[in-house]
Amino acid sequence: QVQLQESGPGLVKPSETLSLNCSVSGYSIGSGYHWAWFRQPPGKGLEWIGTMYYVGTTYYSPSLKSRVTISKDTSKNQFSLNLASVAAADTAVYYCSRGQPTGGFQRWGPGTPVTVSS
Amino acid sequence: DVVLTQSPLSLPVTLGEPASISCRSSQSLLNTNGYNYVDWFLQKPGQSPQLLVYLGSSRASGVPDRFSGSGAGTDFTLKISRVEAEDIGVYFCMQALRTPYSFGQGTKLEF
Repeated sequence: QVQLQESGPGLVKPSETLSLNCSVSGYSIGSGYHWAWFRQPPGKGLEWIGTMYYVGTTYYSPSLKSRVTISKDTSKNQFSLNLASVAAADTAVYYCSRGQPTGGFQRWGPGTPVTVSS
Repeated sequence: DVVLTQSPLSLPVTLGEPASISCRSSQSLLNTNGYNYVDWFLQKPGQSPQLLVYLGSSRASGVPDRFSGSGAGTDFTLKISRVEAEDIGVYFCMQALRTPYSFGQGTKLEF
């Protein structure tokens, strides 16, 4: 059974860089599928941040593209999110997910809350 | 960007009765491969989203057959044939045809 688990600091200061990891168990991230990050501000809907194909190709939301990087470390079987120059509007629960090439993000991590505050 | 509009935003339901949620897109979500790139999720309080339907009408693994998705192009529907207590939560549609992927506002299913 594939499992995803987000990890990272729960509190980040404004203007700093948010860094999160998604550890994957039960499947090798370099073997297939798409690997994505989403976020959900408190009381609001979901927002797609970006997707990385297993070969390393990345696609980012245009609204975040200048600040976001998604990368992978196949030796640790994890992929990461870096979001630079954060502000209060970046406060959200961040989720990592595995997407199927045939459609659908079926596997999700439990989510990790991140607050941007000084 | 593709805008998804869900209706209703709040749906009072009765146990054992059917329920239906609409998702309309500002652009066609039909791919050249013949598939509509619309997914449906249920998010229960404090939990991550769970995939119910992908590619418009394909039920995800482990999803009860009382859930069904239909539609094409710009109009999509998620139907629950008989609502059960565990179905309570917020339902989202999502389009995965064009980046940025986008979500509907969510429909809260409540008793």
